[in-house]
Amino acid sequence: DGGITQSPKYLFRKEGQNVTLSCEQNLNHDAMYWYRQDPGQGLRLIYYSQIVNDFQKGDIAEGYSVSREKKESFPLTVTSAQKNPTAFYLCASSSGTGGYYEQYFGPGTRLTVT
Amino acid sequence: SQQGEEDPQALSIQEGENATMNCSYKTSINNLQWYRQNSGRGLVHLILIRSNEREKHSGRLRVTLDTSKKSSSLLITASRAADTASYFCATPHYSGYSTLTFGKGTMLLVSP
Repeated sequence: DGGITQSPKYLFRKEGQNVTLSCEQNLNHDAMYWYRQDPGQGLRLIYYSQIVNDFQKGDIAEGYSVSREKKESFPLTVTSAQKNPTAFYLCASSSGTGGYYEQYFGPGTRLTVT
Repeated sequence: SQQGEEDPQALSIQEGENATMNCSYKTSINNLQWYRQNSGRGLVHLILIRSNEREKHSGRLRVTLDTSKKSSSLLITASRAADTASYFCATPHYSGYSTLTFGKGTMLLVSP
């Protein structure tokens, strides 16, 4: 089966701890994205990557970090510097960039920080 | 601010009725996409309409695009309970990022 997987589905952390969310795709897509979704809100772009070993900040990158060492993987680290990290995090990929391509989404990770 | 804004924020209908959702955007675009999100899940792409297209169909979905009014509509005909979800429009990111920007969505509830 081709698609995007995110793990874990639910994640609980104490305030002050860094946490890494996993995102893997086997669609052979060059571009990958991380979004944050808060209740009743749309998606806000955290980071995106157009190609391996390259990534760019989105609208709300502060307090987050990413890496893109492999085409299939785009992990997101939520650092202790993120003021309000509790949210639903969605990873997506597309075959190209430029806002002209359909994005394929993973099932999401719900992060709760207390 | 966001590029796309859906209207209404919420819509409640009975099975068999049609559901219409609207999306307005601010700057010129070359395409507009619609996505569906079931509660607690990832988004699923429904349809992409290009700026030179006025209408597009996919099964029970009909999407229109009016570039002069900077608006799009999504019509779901003969709604089913399984259509209950949030629906988002997405346009190329207004800030020049090579990605999409999403509206806040319309939450559709279809009652049996």
